[in-house]
Amino acid sequence: GQSLEQPSEVTAVEGAIVQINCTYQTSGFYGLSWYQQHDGGAPTFLSYNALDGLEETGRFSSFLSRSDSYGYLLLQELQMKDSASYFCAVRDRGYGQNFVFGPGTRLSVLP
Amino acid sequence: NAGVTQTPKFQVLKTGQSMTLQCAQDMNHNSMYWYRQDPGMGLRLIYYSASEGTTDKGEVPNGYNVSRLNKREFSLRLESAAPSQTSVYFCASSEAFLGNQPQHFGDGTRLSIL
Repeated sequence: GQSLEQPSEVTAVEGAIVQINCTYQTSGFYGLSWYQQHDGGAPTFLSYNALDGLEETGRFSSFLSRSDSYGYLLLQELQMKDSASYFCAVRDRGYGQNFVFGPGTRLSVLP
Repeated sequence: NAGVTQTPKFQVLKTGQSMTLQCAQDMNHNSMYWYRQDPGMGLRLIYYSASEGTTDKGEVPNGYNVSRLNKREFSLRLESAAPSQTSVYFCASSEAFLGNQPQHFGDGTRLSIL
């Protein structure tokens, strides 16, 4: 079956850098996505990694190591508006190639 | 741009009642999805439609049915609501089912079943 693990909460201060980790077990891995969700809002897409390495999009970067079944989201120059929940999601061949979402990491950015 | 539109935004039902959640997208996407999100948890896939004319079960399909009415619209029906179906329901769409295709989510329907 599938399982994804993320830390439940992370706290950091404005301007800092924070890393949110995601480890996974799948029946067949196709890719790892990250989504952001503010309280009461809809999830919004941040990034997708199909191959090993780092993908950078502005202040956000996402990393994947398929051999370690591990990825992370790196947020730089934190801003108050980055306070939200962050979900990793793995596309799993054994799951009809659909995405399986992790439980989410709640990030609190303090002034 | 409307993106993905869900109706209603809020609904309270009594156990045993039925209702249909509506979802429409205006991005000409091929694939559509229904998820539920329970407090403090991630999204769980209920049903999906990889392309117009097809629907398939996801992780938690019991108690639900779907209809892909056309390319734009994908509805979710609860035939006999149960308290365990109290949740926030999100509809999403993507340009294609596979590959590097981000899913675009609606604002959700907050459903309470008493």
